[in-house]
Amino acid sequence: EPEVTQTPSHQVTQMGQEVILRCVPISNHLYFYWYRQILGQKVEFLVSFYNNEISEKSEIFDDQFSVERPDGSNFTLKIRSTKLEDSAMYFCASSGERSNNQPQHFGDGTRLSIL
Amino acid sequence: AQSVAQPEDQVNVAEGNPLTVKCTYSVSGNPYLFWYVQYPNRGLQFLLKYITGDNLVKGSYGFEAEFNKSQTSFHLKKPSALVSDSALYFCAVRDENGNNRLAFGKGNQVVVIP
Repeated sequence: EPEVTQTPSHQVTQMGQEVILRCVPISNHLYFYWYRQILGQKVEFLVSFYNNEISEKSEIFDDQFSVERPDGSNFTLKIRSTKLEDSAMYFCASSGERSNNQPQHFGDGTRLSIL
Repeated sequence: AQSVAQPEDQVNVAEGNPLTVKCTYSVSGNPYLFWYVQYPNRGLQFLLKYITGDNLVKGSYGFEAEFNKSQTSFHLKKPSALVSDSALYFCAVRDENGNNRLAFGKGNQVVVIP
C-alpha cells in the first residue's frame, strides 16, 4: 500500500537555525498538509497546499514558516529561524481529492528538537 | 471553528472485552468525522470515517463507530479488544464548507490488559 514518507525521522537543530523537513506524498495525491504535535498536546493543523499554492493556513503558520513543492514528488516545510517552542513532531499528510469525505494519509513524522 | 473532545485520558480494558473510546464534536453544518490510531513512533493511521448515510460505520481491524447527531458524538467501538489494539486513538472532524483542515481531539491511550 502506498505510504507518505518523511525524512529525517529526527532532527536536532540549534535555536535560530533554519530547518527543512521533507515529505514524499502518495504519488497520485493532489492535496498536501502539514500538522504538528507538541509533546502531550493535540495534533494541530499548520497548512494545506494544492496546485502549487497554499489553500489554507492556521494562526500557527506565521512568516517563519513556508512550504514548497520543488519537484513532482517532494513537499517541504521550512522554518526560517527556529525557536524553542517549535520543538514538536511534524506530520505530513496527503489526500487524493479535495472533497471532504476523503481521508488524509499521514507519514510517520519528523521529531524536531530545538536546543 | 470545528473542535473535538475526547473526555478520557486513558481507557483500560481486559482482552476480549468490549472497547469504547468516546468522542464528541462541535462543527457548523454537517460534520465529516474520522478516527485515527497511532502506534509508538508511527504516524496516524486511518481507521474509519462517517460522511453520510448509515449511522454505524465499519472500519479497519474490526473497529466500528456510531454517529449520533443529537448527542454530537462519534464513539469508537470494538466488540472484543486485542492486546495489539493498545495504542493512541484520535478522533477528528472537518466541516462541510470546503475547509480541509482536520481538527483533532487530544487522543485517548487505550491499554488492553492480557
